[in-house]
Amino acid sequence: AQSVSQHNHHVILSEAASLELGCNYSYGGTVNLFWYVQYPGQHLQLLLKYFSGDPLVKGIKGFEAEFIKSKFSFNLRKPSVQWSDTAEYFCAVNEGGLTGGGNKLTFGTGTQLKVEL
Amino acid sequence: EAGVAQSPRYKIIEKRQSVAFWCNPISGHATLYWYQQILGQGPKLLIQFQNNGVVDDSQLPKDRFSAERLKGVDSTLKIQPAKLEDSAVYLCASSLVGASRETQYFGPGTRLLVL
Repeated sequence: AQSVSQHNHHVILSEAASLELGCNYSYGGTVNLFWYVQYPGQHLQLLLKYFSGDPLVKGIKGFEAEFIKSKFSFNLRKPSVQWSDTAEYFCAVNEGGLTGGGNKLTFGTGTQLKVEL
Repeated sequence: EAGVAQSPRYKIIEKRQSVAFWCNPISGHATLYWYQQILGQGPKLLIQFQNNGVVDDSQLPKDRFSAERLKGVDSTLKIQPAKLEDSAVYLCASSLVGASRETQYFGPGTRLLVL
């Protein structure tokens, strides 16, 4: 079975600091990778996703993530965080390919990010 | 475009009672998902519907949980009887056709506390 690990459970940064959140998955086949974000009081929403091609994918609000197949990783980055980035971030994976085996997402445990002014 | 709607937002019950949650997906979305999110964990898929048929319910505790999507639109998730460990946020999500590359759109969730 697939599993997703997010090693940083809580991260506190000052505004303008750089961010990198780790995500590792265990699945040997083709995967689709996602980062979802939940801002305080809001729904889970998609930040970015990767299927194939350029392993560096850009998402909303200046976030990007890099897929490194050899490391089974999909780390999320942002060069300069803002107070409004305070949220919980979830990495998720499902089996890939053109249609895949349905859309059964396996989520990591999440990383709570707090950005201080 | 209206998002995924869920009700109620909060529910407190005693163990062994029953409870039901309702979800209305985004209009036109054929696929509907129910997730359970226990505090400190990520969402875990309980059941996935494609229209009114079940695609995956492998992680649904079928001795106490049931779900239906009779007309292929809105859905209900029921727990009967509830246990303390069922305390969690129950999230509903929907997507257009259920392909693996699709974005899932989540509702606000129902926070359940079992005493």
